[in-house]
Amino acid sequence: EDKVVQSPLSLVVHEGDTVTLNCSYEVTNFRSLLWYKQEKKAPTFLFMLTSSGIEKKSGRLSSILDKKELFSILNITATQTGDSAVYLCAVVSGNTGKLIFGQGTTLQVKP
Amino acid sequence: KAGVTQTPRYLIKTRGQQVTLSCSPISGHRSVSWYQQTPGQGLQFLFEYFSETQRNKGNFPGRFSGRQFSNSRSEMNVSTLELGDSALYLCASSLVGTGTYEQYFGPGTRLTVT
Repeated sequence: EDKVVQSPLSLVVHEGDTVTLNCSYEVTNFRSLLWYKQEKKAPTFLFMLTSSGIEKKSGRLSSILDKKELFSILNITATQTGDSAVYLCAVVSGNTGKLIFGQGTTLQVKP
Repeated sequence: KAGVTQTPRYLIKTRGQQVTLSCSPISGHRSVSWYQQTPGQGLQFLFEYFSETQRNKGNFPGRFSGRQFSNSRSEMNVSTLELGDSALYLCASSLVGTGTYEQYFGPGTRLTVT
């Protein structure tokens, strides 16, 4: 059965800290892995990763994929209170774009 | 470019009723997927429509159905509502070109079943 597992499930840090969120997966016919940030509304798209070893960056956020070991990490440096959210990892399975989501990691950044 | 829109944003229904939710994708996007999000189960895939055809289906009972129109707008219907159907229903659209699977989510419809 296809599955995506995120860890940790929750995390509390202080502003300025660096955090690493993990996402491991077991999916048939992997196509890509996506990261989303969800605050009190719909998930907003962060990154899409399709190739191993290529880091994607956007400001203080970065992500990388390891297709051999079947995982991805999302790094956030110099965290701010505005980074507090649920971070969702999803994997695209098959040729049809069906997304399988992990449980999410709830990040709380304290001032 | 306008984002994904969903109507209504909030809905309260009683058990046994049925409900229809609507989703308008980003202009040019032909794929619309629906998800149910609950605190206990997280985000779960309901179904995906592409060019008016259901292309993928999750593990939900037949009470959950959907359709897509020629303008790519999609509707989701839930019949014989149960308390456990209370959730945030999200739709997401994507271009679904080769290698393009970025999905953009709408704001969701919060359904409460009493």
